[in-house]
Amino acid sequence: KNEVEQSPQNLTAQEGEFITINCSYSVGISALHWLQQHPGGGIVSLFMLSSGKKKHGRLIATINIQEKHSSLHITASHPRDSAVYICAVYNNNDMRFGAGTRLTVKP
Amino acid sequence: DVKVTQSSRYLVKRTGEKVFLECVQDMDHENMFWYRQDPGLGLRLIYFSYDVKMKEKGDIPEGYSVSREKKERFSLILESASTNQTSMYLCASSTSGAHRLDTQYFGPGTRLTVL
Repeated sequence: KNEVEQSPQNLTAQEGEFITINCSYSVGISALHWLQQHPGGGIVSLFMLSSGKKKHGRLIATINIQEKHSSLHITASHPRDSAVYICAVYNNNDMRFGAGTRLTVKP
Repeated sequence: DVKVTQSSRYLVKRTGEKVFLECVQDMDHENMFWYRQDPGLGLRLIYFSYDVKMKEKGDIPEGYSVSREKKERFSLILESASTNQTSMYLCASSTSGAHRLDTQYFGPGTRLTVL
């Protein structure tokens, strides 16, 4: 079993839909990251969380440390949100990555 | 803007060939990383370097070596390529003391196919 599990693996949505991607982890962490990987490979960091909730534009990330779970939400989804979203956890200079969720938003 | 470039976007090699993947960053970052990314497994760290001529093994170093002769350049070497090394290879860099992902800048990736 992977230390970082994401669900769903693949997600197709219609433009405008509310999207939720989930991440569960089994190790102790000091921070959790959500990354976005566009077609072609480039990866950018969206959020770093150690508690609570963060919001940036239409993106919201939450984390529940007790439950070892984080969610990434996208409101009013748009085709340009189509990408692979990766959850990663960090502790003591050690990083573990989820396998990613491939999101396709159709117009 | 930080720029991390990788020498090739796509590469096709034959089993047994020696393969060099080059990564260059232009922001004077101390740390550089090589990952491979496979479907269902996510990103896995192969090697990282925190200074010139310094290197440390990541989670899956077997079958790979690295070279960091200059601060801006970090090379990944497959001494004898095998089909199970077919993957997407991603390079990243970050400033000193910054293993955190929010300060890592990724290159565009090299998709390597070993036939």
